[in-house]
Amino acid sequence: AQSVAQPEDQVNVAEGNPLTVKCTYSVSGNPYLFWYVQYPNRGLQFLLKYITGDNLVKGSYGFEAEFNKSQTSFHLKKPSALVSDSALYFCAVRRPAGTALIFGKGTTLSVSS
Amino acid sequence: EAGVTQFPSHSVIEKGQTVTLRCDPISGHDNLYWYRRVMGKEIKFLLHFVKESKQDESGMPNNRFLAERTGGTYSTLKVQPAELEDSGVYFCASSKPLAERPELFFGEGSRLTVL
Repeated sequence: AQSVAQPEDQVNVAEGNPLTVKCTYSVSGNPYLFWYVQYPNRGLQFLLKYITGDNLVKGSYGFEAEFNKSQTSFHLKKPSALVSDSALYFCAVRRPAGTALIFGKGTTLSVSS
Repeated sequence: EAGVTQFPSHSVIEKGQTVTLRCDPISGHDNLYWYRRVMGKEIKFLLHFVKESKQDESGMPNNRFLAERTGGTYSTLKVQPAELEDSGVYFCASSKPLAERPELFFGEGSRLTVL
């Protein structure tokens, strides 16, 4: 079965420190990979995507993600966390020929000052 | 440019009642999707419209759920009769053709509580 795993329910980091939110997937073929963020009382906002090409993709708000095909991972990273980055982060994948996104359960990022 | 808007933001109903959720996609987006997140679980795909046509409704849980998109503009999702397990947040999203731009744009969600 196709699935996306976000192994950490919560990630805690101090402001200014680097952050990583992990995502692994089990989807056949070469799926498209996405990260979305949900701030409190807001909808899901698109952060970045990997379709093809360079394994390191850059997105909004200084976030980037590294695609690793052999490990089937797409970890979200940021070199220096901000308190305002505190939110719920979702990893999602989609088969190129499909339309449905398959989401992970989400990881709550808490950045302390 | 206005984003995806959903109404109501929160609805509380009793088991057996009917609720209708509405979604207005971004202007010009022919693709419209419904997703649902039950508390603490993954966001799950429900269905996909292209204009007024249902392209994929494989995620619809049962026949108590009815989605429509008359005229290819806004969409409604009706739950009748509602059950306790229908509680959750219902997200609507829209997009341009996925081959053109693969990301979806989501609304803020409609939280449904069934008592």
